[in-house]
Amino acid sequence: GQNIDQPTEMTATEGAIVQINCTYQTSGFNGLFWYQQHAGEAPTFLSYNVLDGLEEKGRFSSFLSRSKGYSYLLLKELQMKDSASYLCAVRDLATGGSYIPTFGRGTSLIVHP
Amino acid sequence: DTEVTQTPKHLVMGMTNKKSLKCEQHMGHRAMYWYKQKAKKPPELMFVYSYEKLSINESVPSRFSPECPNSSLLNLHLHALQPEDSALYLCASSQPNQPQHFGDGTRLSIL
Repeated sequence: GQNIDQPTEMTATEGAIVQINCTYQTSGFNGLFWYQQHAGEAPTFLSYNVLDGLEEKGRFSSFLSRSKGYSYLLLKELQMKDSASYLCAVRDLATGGSYIPTFGRGTSLIVHP
Repeated sequence: DTEVTQTPKHLVMGMTNKKSLKCEQHMGHRAMYWYKQKAKKPPELMFVYSYEKLSINESVPSRFSPECPNSSLLNLHLHALQPEDSALYLCASSQPNQPQHFGDGTRLSIL
């Protein structure tokens, strides 16, 4: 398996910046995804990294270091609506159905005023 | 609103009932997926259809039976479920190697 690890819960203040980390172990890394999921709703795609570096998309950025098995999701100018679970998902060529990512347990982010 | 539509949104059924969950997408995606998600847990993969053929069955009990009638539709037939099967059932679709698009899910309760 991918052995994906991310913090269970984080809290932050409205307007601030928060960084959610994800570490993983794979035999054949083939991409990392970040999803946002509000309670009772579907996961929505945020970002995709397959090469090292930073991908920026508005208030959200995602970083990948393949040599360290490490990624983070950076959320800027936090808003109350950003309170949600953030799922890191990793694709591993070594597993059957290699195009299907495996999800980490998710990080519950609570944004308070 | 998502581009993957699931019905019904909520379903309550007894352990002897037979029901079906439905999923539809019109994005031309050739891979479709069923996931099961319990509260505060990540989605767990159940089945994958690729080009309308079942390509992955993650050792799911036979009381769950998937069906892919065509490239836009995916069903999950339920029979003789157990209380522990109560969960959110998510359908997703994608092109191979592309991000998945999820439906809003069916919240299933087994009495």
